[in-house]
Amino acid sequence: QVQLVESGGGVVQPGRYLRLSCAASGFTFSNYAMHWVRQAPGKGLEWVAVISYDGSHRYYAGSAEGRFTISRDNSKNTLYLQMNILGINDTAMYYCARGAVVVDGTPHWHGLDVWGQGTTVTVSS
Amino acid sequence: EVVMTQSPATLSVSPGGRATLSCRASQSVNNNLAWYQQKPGQAPRLLIYGASTRATGIPARFSGSGSGTEFTLSIISLQSEDFAVYYCQQYNDWLRTFGQGTKVEVK
Repeated sequence: QVQLVESGGGVVQPGRYLRLSCAASGFTFSNYAMHWVRQAPGKGLEWVAVISYDGSHRYYAGSAEGRFTISRDNSKNTLYLQMNILGINDTAMYYCARGAVVVDGTPHWHGLDVWGQGTTVTVSS
Repeated sequence: EVVMTQSPATLSVSPGGRATLSCRASQSVNNNLAWYQQKPGQAPRLLIYGASTRATGIPARFSGSGSGTEFTLSIISLQSEDFAVYYCQQYNDWLRTFGQGTKVEVK
């Protein structure tokens, strides 16, 4: 069964840091780009970051650039999001999602077709 | 950054009716557009990619169209489970921006 399970969320004070994890199973993790998407309470979806299948390319939304780092360990089938200097506006549900699949070296995008259940991050003093 | 604008913010439709949702990009995204459905307390679900290709298991009452900067998601014969929030997302640019969402509610 194809599955993504996030963990690592919690309550953290402003200015502190947190690392989220996303454990993948049921598919060849190393063939897929992976994304983080967040959703503040009562708000819409905000794309946060993407990492290529081999970790060689990473891109961030402006709100994450310079503070967040996306990474992956293909030997552990796990995606990470290191979040530093957290602010109140970072309070959200954080989802990991599966992106483009690489076939013979060429990425094929079919949307974010698998999502985790999310992990909640609350930044509060 | 490509800005995605969805309209309307809320759409009131009777069960069995038709819903037409719009999504506009601030610059051309070709046909690199996806649609998602999200229900309260759930993760989003992929409906459409490539502007018009239904994802696996998505009923035929959902259809997508458009290219460039103007896109439409149509839902015919609305079922009770279709009342939800719908988001578009472009993937023409590495910064994969979402629209702000359209809520489809019961009229």
